[in-house]
Amino acid sequence: RKEVEQDPGPFNVPEGATVAFNCTYSNSASQSFFWYRQDCRKEPKLLMSVYSSGNEDGRFTAQLNRASQYISLLIRDSKLSDSATYLCVVNYDYKLSFGAGTTVTVRA
Amino acid sequence: NAGVMQNPRHLVRRRGQEARLRCSPMKGHSHVYWYRQLPEEGLKFMVYLQKENIIDESGMPKERFSAEFPKEGPSILRIQQVVRGDSAAYFCASSPGLAGRVYNEQFFGPGTRLTVL
Repeated sequence: RKEVEQDPGPFNVPEGATVAFNCTYSNSASQSFFWYRQDCRKEPKLLMSVYSSGNEDGRFTAQLNRASQYISLLIRDSKLSDSATYLCVVNYDYKLSFGAGTTVTVRA
Repeated sequence: NAGVMQNPRHLVRRRGQEARLRCSPMKGHSHVYWYRQLPEEGLKFMVYLQKENIIDESGMPKERFSAEFPKEGPSILRIQQVVRGDSAAYFCASSPGLAGRVYNEQFFGPGTRLTVL
């Protein structure tokens, strides 16, 4: 079983739509959680950390469910610039485990 | 540029040659991590280093791969006698350290794309 599993998508949505996707992780001892975005296989860039209580950063909302071991990301009012691959990332000690990514394409 | 620096950005080697990839962490960061991304796959942890110390190399192939982070200068990932299967993007990340931190936020460099002919 992979350490972090994500629906690869693609999710094709019109501008202004809401899109949501999640990932599951296998290590129940995982300590911290993140969403990164990766454009055209360039370097991953930290989008947001995910806290147990859930958190919001502008149009992005992240949720963590430790009991079910899944993390979600919701993007409201999608922009063309949101088109990217979103990587679910889980940390245990210092080691980050990456999902293979969910591809989102926002169309005009 | 205060970000993580990697060079070269692109590297082409023939089978059997050596590849040396360099990484300079962000200013103030003392922890370096190397990851590999094969085509159509997610990033995979390779090695975690602090200055002059390898903390965890459990993700490194047992042969041909080595890494160092000397007291002075960048971290180096070295691949000896490269094979076609080594073709991938190699990303370096850095963090300020873990003492007292729960959230291990790592910041990535632009990567080195290695192509083995």
